[in-house]
Amino acid sequence: NAGVTQTPKFQVLKTGQSMTLQCAQDMNHEYMSWYRQDPGMGLRLIHYSVGAGITDQGEVPNGYNVSRSTTEDFPLRLLSAAPSQTSVYFCASSLMDGNSGANVLTFGAGSRLTVL
Amino acid sequence: GQNIDQPTEMTATEGAIVQINCTYQTSGFNGLFWYQQHAGEAPTFLSYNVLDGLEEKGRFSSFLSRSKGYSYLLLKELQMKDSASYLCAVMDSNYQLIWGAGTKLIIKP
Repeated sequence: NAGVTQTPKFQVLKTGQSMTLQCAQDMNHEYMSWYRQDPGMGLRLIHYSVGAGITDQGEVPNGYNVSRSTTEDFPLRLLSAAPSQTSVYFCASSLMDGNSGANVLTFGAGSRLTVL
Repeated sequence: GQNIDQPTEMTATEGAIVQINCTYQTSGFNGLFWYQQHAGEAPTFLSYNVLDGLEEKGRFSSFLSRSKGYSYLLLKELQMKDSASYLCAVMDSNYQLIWGAGTKLIIKP
């Protein structure tokens, strides 16, 4: 049981390049999400999904795309990288209990992205 | 707007007790979470409070007062491995998590 697996752990891009951060979970979680974490700020939600074929925007979606073709995978695509996207990115998943808010997130190890 | 406030940094001594406060203003409330994050690692779940009162889990306890928009995380018998950032997050009426910036806890011998 690997939990949430993110790749790559580190990446350096040049401005304008594109790339995909991979995220996979083996816990059969319906909910998956992408966050970015910047110094001095709380985690900010980029995109999320409540099931295969369903995605929605979070707080900071501009410059990022997602898709959810399977329950397990939720890749994050940077279309044209900008220095402002230098950050640490976390993928997180959870079961969804519609009767309570006790949906505990399991996080991947993180991907540190630098855009020059 | 929605806001979560917690101290940026705290220092405590090994073996002592420390209380990390979190105040919040959100659109609705469906629970408050505490996560621990060691430097360079992912956040991991510590506790969840949805009703007023104290939840105890070993050396860690979490308290909630919904009327005051206030929570604290209490860590007892501090160990060096407790050096980490502690993140407070509130689930709002739309079941979206609002995160605080985290409190960096430094433990000194």
